[in-house]
Amino acid sequence: GDSVTQMEGPVTLSEEAFLTINCTYTATGYPSLFWYVQYPGEGLQLLLKATKADDKGSNKGFEATYRKETTSFHLEKGSVQVSDSAVYFCALSDWGNKLVFGAGTILRVKS
Amino acid sequence: NAGVTQTPKFQVLKTGQSMTLQCAQDMNHNSMYWYRQDPGMGLRLIYYSASEGTTDKGEVPNGYNVSRLNKREFSLRLESAAPSQTSVYFCASQSGTVFPDTQYFGPGTRLTVL
Repeated sequence: GDSVTQMEGPVTLSEEAFLTINCTYTATGYPSLFWYVQYPGEGLQLLLKATKADDKGSNKGFEATYRKETTSFHLEKGSVQVSDSAVYFCALSDWGNKLVFGAGTILRVKS
Repeated sequence: NAGVTQTPKFQVLKTGQSMTLQCAQDMNHNSMYWYRQDPGMGLRLIYYSASEGTTDKGEVPNGYNVSRLNKREFSLRLESAAPSQTSVYFCASQSGTVFPDTQYFGPGTRLTVL
């Protein structure tokens, strides 16, 4: 079945550092790819998405590019802030609109 | 516009007790979902309802039942709680009319089974 693998955390960075969180997927079809973010004590919310190969999703300074050849969707941000501290989930969706999540990566940003 | 709401926020049960988690959305969405979140395992789908009047099993349905009461409400019931059901439960909804669609999540219910 479909699956998503994320790099293990926690990831600890200083403010203004560059962020990369790796995500790779396995899917039988051509899924859409998502990054969701969960701030402490809250539910998940969509951060960005991409629907086809070479699409780039972006939001709030975060970016991720759908790479079909490497089955990857790595999340990047050029300069993180303390307010970016959260859990980040990579996910894929098939035509049934059901989401398959990765295990999540905890990001801690220190001032 | 409250989005997706869940009750209760916290609950402690003893093994064998039953309870129902409530979820409601005010976005006129067709599809609703129940997930559980466990450390290191991400979110796993328990049950979902693609539209009013239909429900289907997800990845981890054992020990749970659901009811799609109407278009707004989707409840999750634990008939006989077990310690393995200690988790954080999230309800989500999406319009179900477009692809790919964004899911909107509630704030979660933290359940402890002793």
